Amino acid sequence: EIVMTQSPATLSVSPGERAILSCRASQSVGGNLAWYQQKGGQAPRLLMYGASTRATGIPSRFTGSGSGTEFTLTISSLQSEDFAVYYCQQYSWPPKFTFGPGTKVDLK
Amino acid sequence: QVQLVESGGGVVQPGGSLRLSCAASGLTFGSYGMHWVRQAPGKGLEWVATIWYDGSNKHYADSVKGRFTISRDNYKDTLHLQMNSLRPEDTAVYYCAKAKDAIIIVASLDYWGQGTPVTVSS
Repeated sequence: EIVMTQSPATLSVSPGERAILSCRASQSVGGNLAWYQQKGGQAPRLLMYGASTRATGIPSRFTGSGSGTEFTLTISSLQSEDFAVYYCQQYSWPPKFTFGPGTKVDLK
Repeated sequence: QVQLVESGGGVVQPGGSLRLSCAASGLTFGSYGMHWVRQAPGKGLEWVATIWYDGSNKHYADSVKGRFTISRDNYKDTLHLQMNSLRPEDTAVYYCAKAKDAIIIVASLDYWGQGTPVTVSS
């Protein structure tokens, strides 16, 4: 089973600053990596798929990069609505769609 | 637009059973793989099960294999999760989610329901 890890567990950022979130897979997942955003009490929302393609309606301040085992989500200038928990997920074959433990982005 | 609405959650004793449903609208349901994902209180997301667009293949997390069964009715645009032999550690909000790409099973999840809570406690 592919194990996903994320760092840091918590990231304290001021509005307008850049946030860099990391995700690592225990073995290569190619480009089959997605990022989700979840705010308190809400369902997750797809941000990024294919490691670097923004989902519909996602603003350009969100950028995804990486392939294989190392991935990054960058939020270029944090807005108030971006404070949330971010999860990465691999969706490679065989279908065991493991999630990372999440990174909480909170207000510094 | 796409809507996924879960139902069937509740409180059940350890060892009991529960059947969750997810009603889909706004999409050609029979063209997409579907998933169940859960989230224990205060914890992260855990993938539970996946079913192919035509129901021909199913995949489970090791933590639920042999106890949970995913199924779908493409005539009624509905997804189900039959949960047997429930344990306290199955307590979570259960979300249904849709694969982003038609037919392809290894895809991200682009639409999620609001979730239905399941509590396993005596």
